Amino acid sequence: EVQLVESGGNLIQPGGSLRLSCAASGFAFGYNAMSWVRQAPGKGLEWVAIMTSNGQSRYYADSVRGRFIISRDNSESTLYLQMNSLRADDTAVYYCAKLGGNYLHWNFDYWGQGALVTVSS
Amino acid sequence: EIVLTQTPATLSLSPGERATLSCRASQTVNGDLVWYQQKPGQAPRLLISGTSDRATGIPARFSGGGSGTDFTLTITSLEREDFAVYYCQQRSNWPLTFGGGTKVEMK
Repeated sequence: EVQLVESGGNLIQPGGSLRLSCAASGFAFGYNAMSWVRQAPGKGLEWVAIMTSNGQSRYYADSVRGRFIISRDNSESTLYLQMNSLRADDTAVYYCAKLGGNYLHWNFDYWGQGALVTVSS
Repeated sequence: EIVLTQTPATLSLSPGERATLSCRASQTVNGDLVWYQQKPGQAPRLLISGTSDRATGIPARFSGGGSGTDFTLTITSLEREDFAVYYCQQRSNWPLTFGGGTKVEMK
């Protein structure tokens, strides 16, 4: 059974930094592209960042490029999201998701339960 | 960027009724259209990919169709557990984009 468990969500002041983790199990983590998707309170879904299986390629939404960094440790089956220069509009539930489909033509086929990040003073 | 417009925003139906949800793309997505279901307080769940391929474990009452820029998700007979928000997503062009969602609520 595929399991994705996020951790690290918290209340953080504007301008601060936070790192989210996602522990994966139940599938061959090192052979799958992975992603972060967020959902602001009462809003829709927005993909944030994607990393290919070998870590060679990373993709970011315009809204977070230059501030967020996605990374992974295949030996630990863990995905990370380092979030810097946080703003109030980064407040959201952040989901870790396993990608399915073909390269660049991805869908999100399994999701974690989410980690809440609140940016507020 | 491809914009996906989902209609209606809210669909009020009773259990047993048929639900038809629409997703329209601002340009062709070549069949690379995906549907998700999200229940309150839960993560989204993949329902259908590639326009009409049901994900593992998804009941046959869910079906997807369409082509070009116009796609539909049909739930033939609503069960109580189907009342949720549904999102479409295109994976044809970069960046990946989601629609704004359709809420299926109980009348």
